[in-house]
Amino acid sequence: DAKTTQPTSMDCAEGRAANLPCNHSTISGNEYVYWYRQIHSQGPQYIIHGLKNNETNEMASLIITEDRKSSTLILPHATLRDTAVYYCIVRALSNDYKLSFGAGTTVTVRA
Amino acid sequence: SQTIHQWPATLVQPVGSPLSLECTVEGTSNPNLYWYRQAAGRGLQLLFYSVGIGQISSEVPQNLSASRPQDRQFILSSKKLLLSDSGFYLCAWRGPGTSGNEQFFGPGTRLTVL
Repeated sequence: DAKTTQPTSMDCAEGRAANLPCNHSTISGNEYVYWYRQIHSQGPQYIIHGLKNNETNEMASLIITEDRKSSTLILPHATLRDTAVYYCIVRALSNDYKLSFGAGTTVTVRA
Repeated sequence: SQTIHQWPATLVQPVGSPLSLECTVEGTSNPNLYWYRQAAGRGLQLLFYSVGIGQISSEVPQNLSASRPQDRQFILSSKKLLLSDSGFYLCAWRGPGTSGNEQFFGPGTRLTVL
């Protein structure tokens, strides 16, 4: 699986958009970009995933660059409950679907 | 709908004692099942995964073992706990084959070894 690089931490103002970058310059053509988040003392929660096209769901939007070497997770209107560690993971679909969690980005939403 | 249960929620055990953590999934069949550990201030580490009954793959050498006696039951065990076994243990499931894109995590068990 391709490695990912994320900033260690970032702050965001409540009500504003939070843009979380992720670099994955060695991504292969069959690898997807997945985002999970982990709120303190809870298990990780799936947010969104994509292959090439930009994706949007009720939680967030995922913007993938044309060369697929980087992506941005966008939380359109951050709330205090969005404070969490956000993980960007790159992997291909497979039967075992093992996920490798890095250090992620600690996002703190401030009032 | 599917749900995942873990128990106990918290556990304090002395060094050298045995361990058994249980995870069960409801509302799905033939799921992939996973055990992760998160040490204090550290990231999530995949310990074991299983694609079927009796099929266990270990990701890292350690003091722990896993078993899957039933389709929707995954058990994490140790014969003798070490201080380094302390952490937050998370069970997760995912649909069989390549059908699912998400792993769904349980509430976790916080284990303290003294």
